[in-house]
Amino acid sequence: EVQLVESGGGLVQPGGSLRLSCAASGFTFSSYWMTWVRQAPGKGLEWVANIRHDGGTKYYVDSVKGRFTISRDNDKNSLSLQMNSLRAEDTAVYYCARELWGKYSDFWSGYSDYWGQGTLVTVSS
Amino acid sequence: QSVLTQPPSVSAAPGQKVTISCSGSSSNIGNNYVSWYQQLPGTAPKLLIYDNNKRPSGIPDRFSGSKSGTSATLGITGLQTGDEADYYCGTWDSSLNIVVFGGGTKLTVL
Repeated sequence: EVQLVESGGGLVQPGGSLRLSCAASGFTFSSYWMTWVRQAPGKGLEWVANIRHDGGTKYYVDSVKGRFTISRDNDKNSLSLQMNSLRAEDTAVYYCARELWGKYSDFWSGYSDYWGQGTLVTVSS
Repeated sequence: QSVLTQPPSVSAAPGQKVTISCSGSSSNIGNNYVSWYQQLPGTAPKLLIYDNNKRPSGIPDRFSGSKSGTSATLGITGLQTGDEADYYCGTWDSSLNIVVFGGGTKLTVL
């Protein structure tokens, strides 16, 4: 059974840092892209970043570029999100998810088939 | 404001059918596959539809997806009270190089 368990959320002051972790099990972690998606209170989903199965390629939404770093440890089946210079607008539940990618007839197919339960990050003084 | 546009809410009676639209552009829906997610209150999102119209194992055939041009549609038939949730469309945006989601649609089963 695929399981994704996030940890590391909490209350942090503006300008502070936090590191989120996601422990994966039930599948060959090193074969899959992984992603972080967040959801501000009462708002919709916002994709944050993803990372290729070998860590060689990473993409970020503009609002976190230069502040957040996604990484993975395939030996430990673990995904991380280092968040620096946190702002009030980063307050959200952060989900890790497994991503599947493929290209068919020149069209990209990308979607998240398994999600963790989420961890809440609150940025406030 | 979301890159993909969804209606904020839809409603229908139990047993009826509802459709949820998702509108985008040539850089996202027009040239990439669309997925749909269901988020029940207080829970994580769950994949409902991928590659425009495919259902993962365990998703009932009451749920269907389609795409035409730069728009996609989620259809739900035989509505049940347990279908009350927020629904999101998503796809890759080839210009932004990120995954984009719609703003979400709240389904109420009256």
